[in-house]
Amino acid sequence: QSALTQPRSVSGSPGQSVTISCTGTSSDVGGYIYVSWYQQHPGKAPKLMIYDVSERPSGVPDRFSGSKSGNTASLTISGLQAEDEADYYCCSYAGSFNWVFGGGTKLTVL
Amino acid sequence: QVQLVQSGAEVKKPGASVKVSCKASGYTFTSHYMHWVRQAPGQGLEWMGIINPSGGSTSYAQKFQGRVTMTTDTSTSTVYMELSSLRSEDTAVYYCARAGSNHLDYWGLGTLVTVSS
Repeated sequence: QSALTQPRSVSGSPGQSVTISCTGTSSDVGGYIYVSWYQQHPGKAPKLMIYDVSERPSGVPDRFSGSKSGNTASLTISGLQAEDEADYYCCSYAGSFNWVFGGGTKLTVL
Repeated sequence: QVQLVQSGAEVKKPGASVKVSCKASGYTFTSHYMHWVRQAPGQGLEWMGIINPSGGSTSYAQKFQGRVTMTTDTSTSTVYMELSSLRSEDTAVYYCARAGSNHLDYWGLGTLVTVSS
């Protein structure tokens, strides 16, 4: 199972919007609605931000949204804030009780 | 509140095995599967496998099959991940994470395993 493909880095200014893509195949991202996104600050454990493509857990700001088209999922962060600077990982169910992560994207808030 | 408390850091020699524990509290232990994920220094997250605490059935990533064993102790609400034949590339932080249907909703703080001669 190959890792999902994410851009290594993205950046944006406070108040702007950024979108992080996550590309897989029809065997993972394209085949299921089970795409999730995680935020990880340096030295910390990952935190769930989006699940089932576009659902937000309670407590996650509505500035964070998710979508999917074909084999590519996306995480959009609107109204960027300094505290959003972190690494972001996508994850997809890949069938037969297997999951796969993306390589991660470093978000820099300029 | 859901808490996953992992065991402390380990230093192992190449060829040895390591067993990391993850004690769950704040929810019904047998109602949620548990994932294990690792992160090598400066690298991304890597899914290792999943265990059903109720019954102990497992599914492992192909990369780790034959080297990883995940077990559960319902009497102490603890899951374990044992990795054998350690090599330097296994140096990483190992996380347990509760399964919330098809995502990972709560994470432990991680256990650093260092493999060095």
